[in-house]
Amino acid sequence: AQTVTQSQPEMSVQEAETVTLSCTYDTSESDYYLFWYKQPPSRQMILVIRQEAYKQQNATENRFSVNFQKAAKSFSLKISDSQLGDAAMYFCAYKGAQKLVFGQGTRLTINP
Amino acid sequence: DAMVIQNPRYQVTQFGKPVTLSCSQTLNHNVMYWYQQKSSQAPKLLFHYYDKDFNNEADTPDNFQSRRPNTSFCFLDIRSPGLGDAAMYLCATSRDNRVRDVAKNIQYFGAGTRLSVL
Repeated sequence: AQTVTQSQPEMSVQEAETVTLSCTYDTSESDYYLFWYKQPPSRQMILVIRQEAYKQQNATENRFSVNFQKAAKSFSLKISDSQLGDAAMYFCAYKGAQKLVFGQGTRLTINP
Repeated sequence: DAMVIQNPRYQVTQFGKPVTLSCSQTLNHNVMYWYQQKSSQAPKLLFHYYDKDFNNEADTPDNFQSRRPNTSFCFLDIRSPGLGDAAMYLCATSRDNRVRDVAKNIQYFGAGTRLSVL
């Protein structure tokens, strides 16, 4: 079974700085997708960024980018110019042939 | 313009008293999911519907059931809630989950229903 590991239960960053959230996964599949979801306090979970495993180019969405290392099975999220609204729980997730598998999450705090 | 709507946002029930949570979607997606999320944990998939095809997870207790009367609505029924069932329940949808197309596999979540059991 696939597993997703987020080794940082909590992270904090100063407003306007850059922070990187780590995610590793374990799979024997060659075709899969990876996602980062953001869950703000008391609000719905929303998709931040996605990556298809067959694509070598790292995905970017405005201030959010990923470092996808397929051989290392690593999928980290970089948030540039952190804003107060980025404070949330961040979940890394894997989707292969079966169900979506989530990591345990990283709680990100933004310090003003 | 919420696309996945869960009602109510907060639900209080008594130990052993059946409770129903509802979810509706305006996306016309084929797949609807129910997750249980306990404090500071990852969401745990309970089951999902692919259209009318119900797919239960092997470790979902029999106490949890679901209904999908039409494309737009899906219900989570907890027959006899226990204290351990207190949690946030998340509904999500995706256009598909059986095809190799990342866009169709993206899940869209509702804001959740927080269930308390007294």
